Order: sequence, then structure tokens, then C-alpha cells
Amino acid sequence: DTGVSQDPRHKITKRGQNVTFRCDPISEHNRLYWYRQTLGQGPEFLTYFQNEAQLEKSRLLSDRFSAERPKGSFSTLEIQRTEQGDSAMYLCASSSPKTGGRYTEAFFGQGTRLTVV
Amino acid sequence: SQQGEEDPQALSIQEGENATMNCSYKTSINNLQWYRQNSGRGLVHLILIRSNEREKHSGRLRVTLDTSKKSSSLLITASRAADTASYFCATVPYNTDKLIFGTGTRLQVFP
Repeated sequence: DTGVSQDPRHKITKRGQNVTFRCDPISEHNRLYWYRQTLGQGPEFLTYFQNEAQLEKSRLLSDRFSAERPKGSFSTLEIQRTEQGDSAMYLCASSSPKTGGRYTEAFFGQGTRLTVV
Repeated sequence: SQQGEEDPQALSIQEGENATMNCSYKTSINNLQWYRQNSGRGLVHLILIRSNEREKHSGRLRVTLDTSKKSSSLLITASRAADTASYFCATVPYNTDKLIFGTGTRLQVFP
């Protein structure tokens, strides 16, 4: 297993278009997270899944954003009607709770850099 | 939203010197973690300290946690040019399973 994989690595889109990103987590990990990071800032939490269930969504995730993890494996993040303010790095991470169910370290993908022109 | 802030925002040192970064956070936590990010890349987990721990070591890294002050520090000893990166603290707030990141410290180590 080569870690968390994100596709595409770069995406340039025109304002108003829809975009979809894919994340393939580490195979045995049941938790999957999406973050957004702008230049010079720390990653901002967007949403996370445990298996196929979306357990929490940030208030940052407007109705133009939707995320799915249909079979509890890969996940997609879709942004509809993109705006210039959506330009950012979108990071995916996965983790697997250790014995006792406590949260441990997250493994991050290389991210998808979105530029909205 | 972000949990807290890191201090300093940027740090420049010579190889061989120690680097200390501080992190403050706002809510009760389950644990606190430190991550490293090279320019334009994903984040790499460095170390995790649980809320009932006060200090932890891993190689050249030493992390402290003071839950009464809601703060943590990361010490990198005998720094190397390859340590040049951004370093982020991230907390797992109590009763949640998500990581909330700080604003980061950009470390530059000169050869």
C-alpha cells in the first residue's frame, strides 16, 4: 500500500464550473477526512467519515460542497459553481482507531491544488 | 475554524541549533499532535501526546503539554537543513474525532 492517494494533483477550472476530487485512503483505515488549506495557513477541517457515514461537517462546508464515501472506501469531494475563493489545496487524510477506539495519527495525501480562474 | 495559534510564525536558525515552537489552543482535548509539511506537500505526522501526558520524546523531538495553560511546545534538537518545513500542532478536541490545526510555524534551517 502506497498511502493516501488523491486525484487529480492539480485542477484549473473556470468560475462557475463544477469540480470533483477523489481520495483513496489507506485500505484498512475506516476514518477519512477532508481539509482545505490556503497559502500560509493551517489546514481547515471540512468533513469526516467513519466507514460510509458522514459524521461531521464544518460550517465552512457550504451547500456548494458535498462529500461522499459510498462504500466506505474511496471518497469524493464535489464543489459546485466554483468561486475564486475556493482556490486552495484540498487535503485528504485517513486513520484507523487503535484498540479502545481512540483517535490516533492521520495519514495525509499530497493534496489536490485547485485554481479557479 | 482553527483551534489556536503557534508562535513564532517564522523561525530561522543555523544547523546544529535547537528550534522551539509553541502552540496554544482553546478547548479541552483528547490529545495533541505535531505535523510537518514541506512546501506544497502533504502533512507528515511527527508525534502525539495524550492529555494525561506531560512530556514525550521521539528521536530529536521533544514535546511538552500543559493542559492547565492549554499550550504545547515542540523542541527540535541539533537541527539540520532537512528540517526546513512548516510545523503544525493539531488538537483532537474532547469527545470528537477530528483534528483541528493551528496556524503553523515556518522553520528555516541554514547550513
